[in-house]
Amino acid sequence: DAGVIQSPRHEVTEMGQEVTLRCKPISGHDYLFWYRQTMMQGLELLVYFNNKAVMDDSGMPKDRFSAKMPNASFSTLKIQPSEPRDSAVYFCASTPSGGYYGYTFGSGTRLTVV
Amino acid sequence: GEDVEQSLFLSVREGDSSVINCTYTDSSSTYLYWYKQEPGAGLQLLTYIFSNMDMKQDQRLTVLLNKKDKHLSLRIADTQTGDSAIYFCAESRYSSASKIIFGSGTRLSIRP
Repeated sequence: DAGVIQSPRHEVTEMGQEVTLRCKPISGHDYLFWYRQTMMQGLELLVYFNNKAVMDDSGMPKDRFSAKMPNASFSTLKIQPSEPRDSAVYFCASTPSGGYYGYTFGSGTRLTVV
Repeated sequence: GEDVEQSLFLSVREGDSSVINCTYTDSSSTYLYWYKQEPGAGLQLLTYIFSNMDMKQDQRLTVLLNKKDKHLSLRIADTQTGDSAIYFCAESRYSSASKIIFGSGTRLSIRP
């Protein structure tokens, strides 16, 4: 298995532009998580899905962020409009039902908003 | 509360043992995990322990769980430069098994 695949690895964009981050979870994993990591805040859970349905998006700024999972093998995290404070590394992770196996993380997308 | 707490930094001499500590608050924790994050990479699951166990050993890694004190530790024997990373403690709970709570991470640095 190729693991959790995220794209792009790096993204530099100007303030106000739309940014879309993509994630392909491991086949058969029912849960998908989006995290943001910064030096100041550490690892923050933004949103997670179970069987494509949003379970908890309380960590996500809803005025500019949106997350979708149109099918079991693909998810997007969109930021519109982007701001410099959104600069961070965004991780996607997936796990099978039960979660006792722990999460498998992708390599992350480093977003820089200038 | 949902706190998993770790110290932020640890510096160890190469060849010595490293001990990274973690405390958690929820007594219903089922599995406890240690993740390793190397620079520029995602978090990688190092090891985990079920809450009815006291200890788990895997090569140079030893995990100790004190359920009474809600204290988890990771010991790395013979620490090498390749062990330099951030180590995250995490827990999952019976009430929400698929949602794992992460600590803030301990940055381990190795000095010669």
